Amino acid sequence: GDSVTQMEGPVTLSEEAFLTINCTYTATGYPSLFWYVQYPGEGLQLLLKATKADDKGSNKGFEATYRKETTSFHLEKGSVQVSDSAVYFCALSPLIQGAQKLVFGQGTRLTINP
Amino acid sequence: DTGVSQNPRHKITKRGQNVTFRCDPISEHNRLYWYRQTLGQGPEFLTYFQNEAQLEKSRLLSDRFSAERPKGSFSTLEIQRTEQGDSAMYLCASSFDRFSDTQYFGPGTRLTVL
Repeated sequence: GDSVTQMEGPVTLSEEAFLTINCTYTATGYPSLFWYVQYPGEGLQLLLKATKADDKGSNKGFEATYRKETTSFHLEKGSVQVSDSAVYFCALSPLIQGAQKLVFGQGTRLTINP
Repeated sequence: DTGVSQNPRHKITKRGQNVTFRCDPISEHNRLYWYRQTLGQGPEFLTYFQNEAQLEKSRLLSDRFSAERPKGSFSTLEIQRTEQGDSAMYLCASSFDRFSDTQYFGPGTRLTVL
């Protein structure tokens, strides 16, 4: 079945460091890919998405490129801030016969130290 | 657009009791999803509705679980004879229609079964 694998956390970085969180997926067809973020005490928020191969999603300085050849959707940010501390989830939507359930990775906890 | 709301935000119950959660989706959103998130894991799909029709149920949704969306607006998730293993965050999400791959999440209901 469809699945998402994220790099294990927790990840701890200093402010202004470069961030990469790896995400790979297994799916039939051509899923849409997402990054969701969960700040402490809050619900899941959509961070960015990409719907087809080579698309780049971007938001708040974060970027991820849909790589079909490597079945990956790695999240990157050039200079992280303390406020980026959160749990990040990679997810896919199979998009078979219309949008259906999201399949999530296990999440990566990110802590940014000042 | 007031976002997806869920009530209650927290529920503590004793093993064997029944509990019911409510989700109010974003108005005019036809699709409504329920997920369960345990500590340190990503959300797992439970079930979803297109208007009032329940279109898919996960194997995670045992006979003790039932979900309804009687008028195609709000939804309820009931757990009968709760067990300690039911302790989790229950998340609701909605999307505009079957062609919308972006789901908007509520803050969740945290269930603790003693």
